[in-house]
Amino acid sequence: EVQVVESGGDLVQPGGSLRLSCAASGFTFSNYHMNWVRQAPGKGLEWISYISPSGNTVYYADSVRGRFTISRDNAKSSLSLQMNSLRAEDTAVYFCGGNSVPAAIWGQGTLVTVSS
Amino acid sequence: EIVLTQSPGTLSLSPGERGTLSCRASQSVSNNYVAWYQHKPGQAPRLLIYGASSRATGIPDRFSGSGSGTDFTLTISRLEPEDFAVYYCQQYGSSVFTFGPGTKVDIK
Repeated sequence: EVQVVESGGDLVQPGGSLRLSCAASGFTFSNYHMNWVRQAPGKGLEWISYISPSGNTVYYADSVRGRFTISRDNAKSSLSLQMNSLRAEDTAVYFCGGNSVPAAIWGQGTLVTVSS
Repeated sequence: EIVLTQSPGTLSLSPGERGTLSCRASQSVSNNYVAWYQHKPGQAPRLLIYGASSRATGIPDRFSGSGSGTDFTLTISRLEPEDFAVYYCQQYGSSVFTFGPGTKVDIK
């Protein structure tokens, strides 16, 4: 089955850190451009980071640049997001997904709550 | 950062009707790198259109995209019950990708 499954979401205190993972299966992960996107409660989708198939190119939204780091391990078909210096406004469902057009795949998300 | 504006905010339609959703960018999008996503509560986002007008794998041909430069359109030719959702445009033509605020398509 073609799928990506996010994990690692949790309740964390402001200023804390968390690492999200995304496990891919059923497709050639190393061919896919991958992203992390989030949705805060009651809000729309917000793109936060991109990584190229080789991992050589990464981009970040201004809201997370310098605090979050995206990485991938093509040998393990996995994507990660290291999140540091977390803030209350980082509370959201985090989705991983990407494409090797015309094909695309997205996961159902993992919840991150930043609160004391 | 390219800011995307979507209109209308909500579109109330009946099954079988045609829906036209608009997305306007604050500056020209390089290579017309605009995508459209469908999103339902509690579900994964679903890529519908990439490159402004190309359908993603498995997307029915009732979904079509058009436009260039700063103005882009998603058209749903005949709404099916499963099409009622929120639709987002996204630009990926710069090193900071952005989503529009979304258009909610609900049942009239």
